[in-house]
Amino acid sequence: QSALTQPASVSGSPGQSIAISCTGTTSNVGNYNLVSWYQQHPGKAPKLMIYEGSKRPSGVSNRFSGSKSGNTASLTISGLQAEDEADYYCCSYATGSTLVFGGGTKLTVL
Amino acid sequence: QVQLQESGPGLVKPSETLSLTCTVSGGSISNFYWSWIRQPPGKGLEWIGYMYHSGSANINPSLKSRVTISVDTSNNQFSLKLNSVTAADTAVYFCARGGGRGNFWFDPWGQGTLVTVSS
Repeated sequence: QSALTQPASVSGSPGQSIAISCTGTTSNVGNYNLVSWYQQHPGKAPKLMIYEGSKRPSGVSNRFSGSKSGNTASLTISGLQAEDEADYYCCSYATGSTLVFGGGTKLTVL
Repeated sequence: QVQLQESGPGLVKPSETLSLTCTVSGGSISNFYWSWIRQPPGKGLEWIGYMYHSGSANINPSLKSRVTISVDTSNNQFSLKLNSVTAADTAVYFCARGGGRGNFWFDPWGQGTLVTVSS
């Protein structure tokens, strides 16, 4: 069982916006703005999409954005494109200088 | 840009030690944190641990008794040893930059290497 809870799947049509939630506790998401998000296509290594809650690495589309409210972080993808179809994982710093991942969310672009 | 490449045996027998090396190219291993992450087939990601180039490390408490992470700055490599393996340790093992103070994210990643635990 993962320390962070994500929905198993979400879906949306091209052009729409979707949000993926990542729920933790005050030991991780709630007390630290240190959530990162990763995109993973089948058979590939994960790719960093968001770090420190809402920062985008160079080269990542501004269609991807991150936010947090209480113990829940969210990744929003606007203007959905076919290439966004992938698995998405959140990760948070946790008390004790450890890191914990969510269970992952499969995004389907209809 | 920095690239990472995992290497090591793809098959390990139960109760033996899994040993992997990550070679860093395109940049120095110094002044960064380096991590190991694994992904069982069809499942999610699990952080194993990180090491700073100086040698200080932090390991996932669930694996702490079985994991050693070390660094070889002269060869720009860092390594993972996981002892007393079982079938539950079968996974794709990734190395990545990051995970420690001031850098609590992972980027870039190696391509990953599948390690199967089986007799």
